[in-house]
Amino acid sequence: AQSVTQPDIHITVSEGASLELRCNYSYGATPYLFWYVQSPGQGLQLLLKYFSGDTLVQGIKGFEAEFKRSQSSFNLRKPSVHWSDAAEYFCAVGGAGTASKLTFGTGTRLQVTL
Amino acid sequence: DGGITQSPKYLFRKEGQNVTLSCEQNLNHDAMYWYRQDPGQGLRLIYYSQIVNDFQKGDIAEGYSVSREKKESFPLTVTSAQKNPTAFYLCASSMDRAYEQYFGPGTRLTVT
Repeated sequence: AQSVTQPDIHITVSEGASLELRCNYSYGATPYLFWYVQSPGQGLQLLLKYFSGDTLVQGIKGFEAEFKRSQSSFNLRKPSVHWSDAAEYFCAVGGAGTASKLTFGTGTRLQVTL
Repeated sequence: DGGITQSPKYLFRKEGQNVTLSCEQNLNHDAMYWYRQDPGQGLRLIYYSQIVNDFQKGDIAEGYSVSREKKESFPLTVTSAQKNPTAFYLCASSMDRAYEQYFGPGTRLTVT
């Protein structure tokens, strides 16, 4: 069965500092990996996705993520965090063999201090 | 402007009543999904549909029902059999079953 682990429930960083949110997945074949962001009371917005090819993917709002097959990880990074990045971030895994079912992690809440 | 709409944003019901949540998309996507979100639990899949007039149960389908009579619409009914219906409900769609999912703004349902 596929699964996603986001080990950090809550992270606080200072504005301007770098950010890395961790995501580990379990999937039996080549995974499709996604990062979404959610502001309070809102839907989820897709930040970036990995299907194949270059293992470093660029997304919106200055975010990037790196797929490391050997570590089953897909960590999200941003070199300099802005106060508006405060939100909840979800990693998700799916694939062609899963009949479209995405499995989401439990999320990491990011707080940004000024 | 393409997107997914969910209505209403807030919904209040008395225990024992069925309630239907609306989800409409104009993205011409084939697949649609319903998720339930509870604090600290991420998103859990309730039902999904890959084509009109066909849908499958997700991980937590008990107490819920859906229909897919039109490509653009995928309403979710929360029945009185759902033991703990108070939650935030999210609808999503995707072009194909392997593609990224796009989400609506959600409906917060409170049952008292």
